[in-house]
This record gives sequence, structure tokens and C-alpha cells, in this order.
Amino acid sequence: DAKTTQPPSMDCAEGRAANLPCNHSTISGNEYVYWYRQIHSQGPQYIIHGLKNNETNEMASLIITEDRKSSTLILPHATLRDTAVYYCIVRVRANSGGYQKVTFGTGTKLQVIP
Amino acid sequence: EAGVTQSPTHLIKTRGQQATLRCSPISGHTSVYWYQQALGLGLQFLLWYDEGEERNRGNFPPRFSGRQFPNYSSELNVNALELEDSALYLCASDPGNEQFFGPGTRLTVL
Repeated sequence: DAKTTQPPSMDCAEGRAANLPCNHSTISGNEYVYWYRQIHSQGPQYIIHGLKNNETNEMASLIITEDRKSSTLILPHATLRDTAVYYCIVRVRANSGGYQKVTFGTGTKLQVIP
Repeated sequence: EAGVTQSPTHLIKTRGQQATLRCSPISGHTSVYWYQQALGLGLQFLLWYDEGEERNRGNFPPRFSGRQFPNYSSELNVNALELEDSALYLCASDPGNEQFFGPGTRLTVL
């Protein structure tokens, strides 16, 4: 019952931008979009999150469409160490409407190719 | 600040036995999530505890159970182990706006 859909896998050439799409067409007004990644069976690691504006941090950029039904995670210059499974989830934040169950989908396996 | 800790790192059991996995959240976090990740698959939601209570559980049989202690640490119990229970079990500590994951416990059922 994940609320997001992602392509199962993608390839990206090293040094190029990796653009990972996510569909969240049933997102509610108070739900944020979060991205995590999981490298080789380690615990998933937080990357970035946003509500409706585009966001950027030292790891990535997040582009959210105006209708908020989809988003794209951008890794501007992919390296071999970015090879991982990337998860997109939607959730509320505790200060904006209480708690809810957080559900991860199956994610996108990104393979960065030398 | 210490991160989420899980123990043991690895656990080997035989079919029919019971397994107990433990998780200590980040100090101040009251919410703990448990996930099962079978080899090559995504994270399957197992259980969610908050303030000592079970808030929700995933589509798993009743032999998967757990509890949360007054200090917010949590325990996952799996009874009558089956071969397909072999997986990485991840615990996440959640202050309400982000999930912080532990390193996981690798359970192998022989």
C-alpha cells in the first residue's frame, strides 16, 4: 500500500546528472515528499525532503511539480558511490497534522556506470 | 548524538525457534518502526510503536510481535521461525518528521 510509484531501475553515466522520478498522485495537502537511499543492505539514509517548493542541499535537488503529483530527485554529478536503491515516500510531519504510518515502496535501483 | 542501535548484528536460528531483535532509538525519539527486507526486495513495513503503544502493523502473521519499553527502546519477536523469515530487519527512530535507521539485524533461518 505504498503511496508512491518509481521505476524499478535506472542507469546513469558517471559524472552525468541522475534524474530519478517518483509518482505520488494521491498525495494530500499536508504530506511532504521525502527521498532516502540505501547502499548495499545498510540502513536507508535521508537525502532531502520538500512540500511544494523545489529544494536543494549538498547531496541533491528535489523538483516537485506544481500539482504535487510527481517529483524528481536530481543527483547533479553522479559518482560510483551513488549506486544505491533510492526510495521516495510521502508523509506528514508531526507539526502539520499528526502522525501516520510511513510506507516505503520498492524504490529505484540506480546503477552508475563508469 | 548516538544514532539508532540494533542488536544483534547477525542472528542464526533454525526453523521453529524464536528470535528476539532489539532496537534503541535516538534519545528523545518516541516512535520506532520495524521493517523487514528480504534479499533483493524493498522495505516491508512490520510494526510501528509510539509512546509505548502499537500504532499500526503491516501484513504479517501474528507470530511477528513486539513491544516498546518505557525508555522507548523496542523489541521484535518472531516465533515459530520459517525459512522465509530470513531477512535484514531494520529499525527506524522517528521524531515525527524523519526516519533515522539503524544498521539492521541480519536474521538467517536454517
